[in-house]
Amino acid sequence: DVVMTQSPLSLPVTLGQPASISCRSSQSLVYTDGDTYLHWFQQRPGQSPRRLIYKVSNRDPGVPDRFSGSGSGTDFTLKISRVEAEDVGVYYCMQGTHWPPFTFGPGTKVDIK
Amino acid sequence: EVQLVESGGGLVQPGGSLRLSCEASGFSLSHYWMNWVRQAPGKGLEWVANIKQDGSEKYYVDSVKGRFTISRDNAKNSVYMQMNSLRGEDTAVYYCVRGVGSGRTFGYWGQGTLVTVSS
Repeated sequence: DVVMTQSPLSLPVTLGQPASISCRSSQSLVYTDGDTYLHWFQQRPGQSPRRLIYKVSNRDPGVPDRFSGSGSGTDFTLKISRVEAEDVGVYYCMQGTHWPPFTFGPGTKVDIK
Repeated sequence: EVQLVESGGGLVQPGGSLRLSCEASGFSLSHYWMNWVRQAPGKGLEWVANIKQDGSEKYYVDSVKGRFTISRDNAKNSVYMQMNSLRGEDTAVYYCVRGVGSGRTFGYWGQGTLVTVSS
């Protein structure tokens, strides 16, 4: 199974400041079709997860452009350019290249300092 | 509006059974892979199982193989999870999740249903 790791696991941030979350996979996430199936999900307190970014860098409709994804192979990053109060929650990376099983990172908890 | 509504959760004793249901609305279930993802209290996300559009393929995480069975009824726009031989470690919120495209990513999530396995 592909193991997903994230760092940091806890990220206190100041409103208006940038934030960055790293995600690493135990093997390359490039699929035979050339795409990389690495996605990012946000889970706000008390809510279901929702997808923010798919295939490394594609923002979902309605996701603010302060969120961006980058990376390749085994190393990926989610960046928030200027953190807002509504960004508080847990962020998960997930791989869909080598399944079953689909695997998630442990999550990074973002809160406000 | 796309909606996924789970039901069937509750308190069950170890070794017992439950059947979860997920009713879809706002789209035709027959076009999508469907998944169950769970989240133990205070923990992260764990994919549990999925099923192809026509039900011809089903996959499970190792920890539930032989105990859980995913199924679907496209005519009723519903997905199910039969859970047998339940253990304490199965305690979690279970989310019904719609696959996207080839199924290699997840789109819409339901609100979840809580399963508690305890004596």
